[in-house]
Amino acid sequence: DSGVTQTPKHLITATGQRVTLRCSPRSGDLSVYWYQQSLDQGLQFLIQYYNGEERAKGNILERFSAQQFPDLHSELNLSSLELGDSALYFCASSEGLAGYNEQFFGPGTRLTVL
Amino acid sequence: SQQGEEDPQALSIQEGENATMNCSYKTSINNLQWYRQNSGRGLVHLILIRSNEREKHSGRLRVTLDTSKKSSSLLITASRAADTASYFCATDADSNYQLIWGAGTKLIIKP
Repeated sequence: DSGVTQTPKHLITATGQRVTLRCSPRSGDLSVYWYQQSLDQGLQFLIQYYNGEERAKGNILERFSAQQFPDLHSELNLSSLELGDSALYFCASSEGLAGYNEQFFGPGTRLTVL
Repeated sequence: SQQGEEDPQALSIQEGENATMNCSYKTSINNLQWYRQNSGRGLVHLILIRSNEREKHSGRLRVTLDTSKKSSSLLITASRAADTASYFCATDADSNYQLIWGAGTKLIIKP
């Protein structure tokens, strides 16, 4: 158990809908990262927050947004969903900034868009 | 952007044999990390090697780093069925301190 929790585990929705994925980082970790992993693909970095502030942005679509709250949990909002958004979405956390710290991954949310 | 490229894409070996995976990257780094992912699950950190280190061990894992060739290798000795997983390297070359991930090597250990 990494200490990172993600809810929900599975999400099935229709095209055009909006969903919110939630992540609670490991106790004491200030950085939160969101990743997308499509079937049999590598990880695509979406966005990083550090202590409530956005620190890095990757290949995140404009239809997607995220935030980190004062209690350090984070939410990833996906809107106007398309079939291609079906993927595993992982949240990870680390004590500090990415390069110098290992990241602890949550179990992921499997999103299916029908 | 894709910084790390793992090689091979897939590897199938007999239990008990050694498995070697390679990672190449394009720009200078401070650190390189290796992670394991069991099918459909979250990644697990294996080892971090700093740019001034050449070799690091952790149990049955041995990681080497050659900064002149911009490459790293992960050796798993005496493989077990439980080692079946995908293995990813990640580097910190980006100035925003995000990790840049490779596409992974899928390792299958045959009993």
